[in-house]
Amino acid sequence: RKEVEQDPGPFNVPEGATVAFNCTYSNSASQSFFWYRQDCRKEPKLLMSVYSSGNEDGRFTAQLNRASQYISLLIRDSKLSDSATYLCVVIPNAGNMLTFGGGTRLMVKP
Amino acid sequence: NAGVTQTPKFRILKIGQSMTLQCTQDMNHNYMYWYRQDPGMGLKLIYYSVGAGITDKGEVPNGYNVSRSTTEDFPLRLELAAPSQTSVYFCASSWGARADTQYFGPGTRLTVL
Repeated sequence: RKEVEQDPGPFNVPEGATVAFNCTYSNSASQSFFWYRQDCRKEPKLLMSVYSSGNEDGRFTAQLNRASQYISLLIRDSKLSDSATYLCVVIPNAGNMLTFGGGTRLMVKP
Repeated sequence: NAGVTQTPKFRILKIGQSMTLQCTQDMNHNYMYWYRQDPGMGLKLIYYSVGAGITDKGEVPNGYNVSRSTTEDFPLRLELAAPSQTSVYFCASSWGARADTQYFGPGTRLTVL
């Protein structure tokens, strides 16, 4: 089983739709969780951290479910500019290096 | 600040050739990293460094070498290029070891034929 797993997609949604992605992780002792965004042929950039209590940044909401070992990303009112690959990132233990999921591709259509 | 810069942007190598991928950061970050990303896959850590003179292996170090003689520079060396090393290589840096402080360079696309 991979340490961090994501549905590769693509998720094809119309503008204005709400879309959600999940990411599962195998190490129950994982400490930190993040979502990165990667545009086509570009470098990854941090989108948001994922906190135990859940957190929101504008149209984006991230949630953590430790019992089921997954994190989620919800995007409301999708924009064309949201089209990208969303990478789930986990730090398995305190101070250890990042482990990346394979990414979920989102395509927002007019 | 230029952030993290990488050269070259693209390179084609023949099997058995060697090359060095350059990475420089101007943010005075202690931590630097090299990742590779194969098509449709996540990033895998090759090597990392927690400061000048200190390097350590990541998940996929075989076939690569690194050095860190200054805070700013973290070159990645491929000694005997193989087709399995065809990938996009990203360098990143951070102040500490946490993900939310990592800044990535634009990447180097390497093809080994």
